Amino acid sequence: GEDVEQSLFLSVREGDSSVINCTYTDSSSTYLYWYKQEPGAGLQLLTYIFSNMDMKQDQRLTVLLNKKDKHLSLRIADTQTGDSAIYFCAVPWGNQGGKLIFGQGTELSVKP
Amino acid sequence: DGGITQSPKYLFRKEGQNVTLSCEQNLNHDAMYWYRQDPGQGLRLIYYSQIVNDFQKGDIAEGYSVSREKKESFPLTVTSAQKNPTAFYLCASTTPGQGVEKLFFGSGTQLSVL
Repeated sequence: GEDVEQSLFLSVREGDSSVINCTYTDSSSTYLYWYKQEPGAGLQLLTYIFSNMDMKQDQRLTVLLNKKDKHLSLRIADTQTGDSAIYFCAVPWGNQGGKLIFGQGTELSVKP
Repeated sequence: DGGITQSPKYLFRKEGQNVTLSCEQNLNHDAMYWYRQDPGQGLRLIYYSQIVNDFQKGDIAEGYSVSREKKESFPLTVTSAQKNPTAFYLCASTTPGQGVEKLFFGSGTQLSVL
């Protein structure tokens, strides 16, 4: 079945760029997603990329997709303390709409 | 405001007890999901329902049960057969088949064992 892998922790200084990486196994996914979870809360959709795109930029967020290597990354420019959260990569599962497989989540810590 | 409401925020279970977690949505979404979150393990799918009166097991359904009698509601029961129930439980909903599958999540229920 589908497997999605992320590193667990990332620590950066305020103002630096953060890069969160994700690898996945199923190449048939149409959209790939990044969700953000703040402490003690549910997840919120942060951004997504269609599988026929290599890059998508949305303000401070840049998503890069390497389909050959099945590698997805999320870059946050000018990282702020308010960006401290857990970031999840998610990939659709099979052909049943709405089911997502989530990575383990990367906890981003931003130090002032 | 539209959204998903989970209750209670915190729940404690005694040995041998069944407990029920509530999930209600007013987004008119067809599909609803229950995920379990453990530190360092991401989210794992327990059960999902794509239509009223129908639901399917996810990856870790053993020790859990659900019902979907109304479109708005998808309660999860953690039974005494679930030997390690301590976790953060998240409910989500969406309407599938519309391109981008945007899941809306509740704020979660933290279940602990006394």
